[in-house]
Amino acid sequence: GAVVSQHPSRVICKSGTSVKIECRSLDFQATTMFWYRQFPKQSLMLMATSNEGSKATYEQGVEKDKFLINHASLTLSTLTVTSAHPEDSSFYICSAVSGANTGELFFGEGSRLTVL
Amino acid sequence: AQKVTQAQTEISVVEKEDVTLDCVYETRDTTYYLFWYKQPPSGELVFLIRRNSFDEQNEISGRYSWNFQKSTSSFNFTITASQVVDSAVYFCALRDFGNEKLTFGTGTRLTIIP
Repeated sequence: GAVVSQHPSRVICKSGTSVKIECRSLDFQATTMFWYRQFPKQSLMLMATSNEGSKATYEQGVEKDKFLINHASLTLSTLTVTSAHPEDSSFYICSAVSGANTGELFFGEGSRLTVL
Repeated sequence: AQKVTQAQTEISVVEKEDVTLDCVYETRDTTYYLFWYKQPPSGELVFLIRRNSFDEQNEISGRYSWNFQKSTSSFNFTITASQVVDSAVYFCALRDFGNEKLTFGTGTRLTIIP
């Protein structure tokens, strides 16, 4: 089956630094990828929709200058948390759509960010 | 607007008992998909099932079964003869046809007591 890979799986950084998380579709082309955020013991909240070759669409309340999303190719989307602060510590999960309207969504393994 | 409600925040049962996780959804669309995912402590989301809105047949997969009731907008998940490895957070999710976004419920934390 389709595989979506995230890297890194865990990252610890100092406050004020920027962190980049990659989401790759390994065996299919994904024109659309989604980025979710999950705080401890909470549900997954959609942050943004990443479209290949165009600007990402952010959900209400998500700072686009804080969370930079780039979808430069059909197999790679990146999320950069800029000037990270402790409150940005969270579990970030990406998902990719294989095909249009097929209902097939594949999730990455998630990336746990800890900002000291 | 889409909404998924998982009223049970946490459930604990003794091993080998059956347990049902409830899921109620809201959508204006007539065509949609419903999902269940398992999230073990490691964090990754494990896909369990996808159900199309026009297919109301219940499904059984080993110890897992799903009851889709369109009339009550519910898509409940039952684990029979529970095992410790079933301990995880379970999410119900909804996706309208033509919209690739998933709306997740708040999740139910299931603990199986040995």
